[in-house]
Amino acid sequence: EVQLVESGGGLVPPGGSLRLSCTASGFTFSDFAMTWVRQTPEKGLEWVAAIRTTVGSTHFADSVKGRFTISRDNSKNTVYLQMNSLRADDTAVYYCAKLQRLQIWPDAFDIWGQGTMVTVSS
Amino acid sequence: VLTQSPGTLSLSPGDRATLSCRASQRISSAYFAWYQQKPGQAPRLLVYGASNRAPGIPDRFSGSGSGTDFTLTISRLEPEDFAVYYCQQYGSSPQFTFGPGTKVDFK
Repeated sequence: EVQLVESGGGLVPPGGSLRLSCTASGFTFSDFAMTWVRQTPEKGLEWVAAIRTTVGSTHFADSVKGRFTISRDNSKNTVYLQMNSLRADDTAVYYCAKLQRLQIWPDAFDIWGQGTMVTVSS
Repeated sequence: VLTQSPGTLSLSPGDRATLSCRASQRISSAYFAWYQQKPGQAPRLLVYGASNRAPGIPDRFSGSGSGTDFTLTISRLEPEDFAVYYCQQYGSSPQFTFGPGTKVDFK
């Protein structure tokens, strides 16, 4: 079964850091670009970051550029989102997702994890 | 920017649902998708490339459109189709943009 499982969410004070992990199973992880998307009732779905299969090829939304980094460890089938200098408006459910087709960029997101909640508050 | 209309669509099972998404600038239809989201669940890909159903998606779901105007049609609503639907463009790489959503609820 194709599956993505996120972890690492929680409560963090403003200015703090948090690292989210997303572990994949059921497909050849190294062949697919991966992405993070967040969701709040106010803003809806917001794309955050993506990492392609090509080493070093990462992309970020303007709202997180310079504060968040995305990386992947293909040996562990895991993608990470390192979030620094967190602000209250980063509070959201964070989903990781897989881009649909083998080594295609850009593409739709066909498999999503269950989401992990990040709350930035003192 | 993607704008979806209506914000809420109140319908009954068996009805036809027509959801609209308008882009502020032209988008290649190759880079347009629709998602369904139910409460407490992650979004689910329905349509990609504007008109291609994702694997396992029933044929009552169909997508169409080009340029700045795209449509998702549900030919006959089933009870499990009452949900929120989002459009997405991924043509202005590297930015991926979602619309605000259309809620399909029971009349």
